Amino acid sequence: DTAVSQTPKYLVTQMGNDKSIKCEQNLGHDTMYWYKQDSKKFLKIMFSYNNKELIINETVPNRFSPKSPDKAHLNLHINSLELGDSAVYFCASSQVKGEQFFGPGTRLTVL
Amino acid sequence: GENVEQHPSTLSVQEGDSAVIKCTYSDSASNYFPWYKQELGKRPQLIIDIRSNVGEKKDQRIAVTLNKTAKHFSLHITETQPEDSAVYFCAALLSGNTPLVFGKGTRLSVIA
Repeated sequence: DTAVSQTPKYLVTQMGNDKSIKCEQNLGHDTMYWYKQDSKKFLKIMFSYNNKELIINETVPNRFSPKSPDKAHLNLHINSLELGDSAVYFCASSQVKGEQFFGPGTRLTVL
Repeated sequence: GENVEQHPSTLSVQEGDSAVIKCTYSDSASNYFPWYKQELGKRPQLIIDIRSNVGEKKDQRIAVTLNKTAKHFSLHITETQPEDSAVYFCAALLSGNTPLVFGKGTRLSVIA
């Protein structure tokens, strides 16, 4: 009965590789998000997406791209991974103006 | 866009004392202010929230106050316990489908 789930929980990879993180929510929410949390614990919004609109934080490199096959899923694709991409990535979902629920996070380590 | 400032960045209190964390926001149109608690290695979880039509909200040992005129809101934890130790984030929501804007977090340590 997990509300927001992510896979994998840990991801270790080499620089230059391409990787994906999957996110699913079973709450029936309209909007999903991706956040990056760095070593200083700052939570930085990367994308928000609903059926109609993708909002991109302009500081996010275009190597990062969200893909939503349906309303319950928002996957994150990362091309040409760099050392600075190492962080914990959180998926989240919400209804409009409602509580935001976070997934368990994916710890990405780029070697 | 919205900007949220949070202070202090770290806070240590003795068990049983109170803890207060303060946030300010920039856009007067923001109307929803949640607080999240993140324990080590875990996901952020909502502990309390307040909307702009309310000045104060309380849930057991936790309370949040909102001053719309000054554009600041605060989290108050009374009778702190070691399990309150965590990173706390404030956030503000501007409107509609815009994402939450988070403060930079406060690391609270409750010393037994």
